[in-house]
Amino acid sequence: AQKVTQAQTEISVVEKEDVTLDCVYETRDTTYYLFWYKQPPSGELVFLIRRNSFDEQNEISGRYSWNFQKSTSSFNFTITASQVVDSAVYFCALSDSFSGNTPLVFGKGTRLSVIA
Amino acid sequence: KAGVTQTPRYLIKTRGQQVTLSCSPISGHRSVSWYQQTPGQGLQFLFEYFSETQRNKGNFPGRFSGRQFSNSRSEMNVSTLELGDSALYLCASSLVTSGATQETQYFGPGTRLLVL
Repeated sequence: AQKVTQAQTEISVVEKEDVTLDCVYETRDTTYYLFWYKQPPSGELVFLIRRNSFDEQNEISGRYSWNFQKSTSSFNFTITASQVVDSAVYFCALSDSFSGNTPLVFGKGTRLSVIA
Repeated sequence: KAGVTQTPRYLIKTRGQQVTLSCSPISGHRSVSWYQQTPGQGLQFLFEYFSETQRNKGNFPGRFSGRQFSNSRSEMNVSTLELGDSALYLCASSLVTSGATQETQYFGPGTRLLVL
């Protein structure tokens, strides 16, 4: 069975600090996809990144970066120089592609609070 | 392009009633998925529709049902509401291409349902 664990329930940082959100996943599939979503107080899940299991290259997008390591089944997310607008709940999600468009399995989320 | 829209945004019902939620996907997206989000259980998959057919179903009782129309718009219905059905119901749409590739799901703002 697929499972996503986000061990950090809540993180609080001061503005301009760097912060890393951890994500550990479990799957028996060799082909799978990993995602990160951001959920601000408004409730909408905002897509941040998608990575497939064959692409272990790390990615950087502005202040955001992602570290995918198959050896440890982790897909961690780092925000550099955090800002108050980064305050939200962040979800890591997993899906396989064995049978086409498959449901996302989400972690419990990490609530990030950035204090000015 | 307009994003995923959901109506209504907020809803208050009493136990035993039924409710219908609506979701309009991003233009051109043919797959619509529904998720329930509660503080206790987190984000859980309800069902997915593609070409007016339910392709995947989560582990929810038969009181939860859905359908998709020829224009890809989707509705979900919950009958005989229970207090535990109070949740944020999120709809997501994705562009389905040929093959078994997992497409990114883009979420709407959700419908917040309160059952009294």
